Amino acid sequence: NAGVMQNPRHLVRRRGQEARLRCSPMKGHSHVYWYRQLPEEGLKFMVYLQKENIIDESGMPKERFSAEFPKEGPSILRIQQVVRGDSAAYFCASSPRSGAHSNQPQHFGDGTRLSIL
Amino acid sequence: GESVGLHLPTLSVQEGDNSIINCAYSNSASDYFIWYKQESGKGPQFIIDIRSNMDKRQGQRVTVLLNKTVKHLSLQIAATQPGDSAVYFCAETTRLGTSYDKVIFGPGTSLSVIP
Repeated sequence: NAGVMQNPRHLVRRRGQEARLRCSPMKGHSHVYWYRQLPEEGLKFMVYLQKENIIDESGMPKERFSAEFPKEGPSILRIQQVVRGDSAAYFCASSPRSGAHSNQPQHFGDGTRLSIL
Repeated sequence: GESVGLHLPTLSVQEGDNSIINCAYSNSASDYFIWYKQESGKGPQFIIDIRSNMDKRQGQRVTVLLNKTVKHLSLQIAATQPGDSAVYFCAETTRLGTSYDKVIFGPGTSLSVIP
């Protein structure tokens, strides 16, 4: 029973390039969440998606960042024209459902460590 | 605004002793709480959860206590082992409308176990 799979585990980009981070949720999970974590800090919520829909993107910067979760395939977090400040660990989590009374914990992948040169 | 905070950012415990990690939450409407453990280089791992209609829940070597009166959550680890060394996050779930439970994570406590 595979868990949440993220790839790549490590990604190095030069300033101005694009970064694409992929997340395959656990089998049977249709809800995906992206978080950002700086060293020695907590998890900062970025975006919550269901299949083909963005439900909450309140934590995602308005520019350069985008996320999708297509009907087929993994969820993608895309960062365009990366800058040094984008260096961080990006975690994806999934759950089977979300909503009132769901009481379902999110299950996390091991993250993608993005380094900007 | 909404926030979840931890009283102690770091905690050192002797191997074999019990550990207590505390968490304060500010949203009285939160009704589901989760503790996660994050080891170096890995993602957060679910440890234990508790619903707001309970004040205590036990797992294997771990106990979570919820005090809704003072909006306080704690994680107790019995007979702490070196493998327990990690960062521990509490998380609260707040219902937004009828279709979305938002999870808010605290800043984390780093637990170091002294052999």
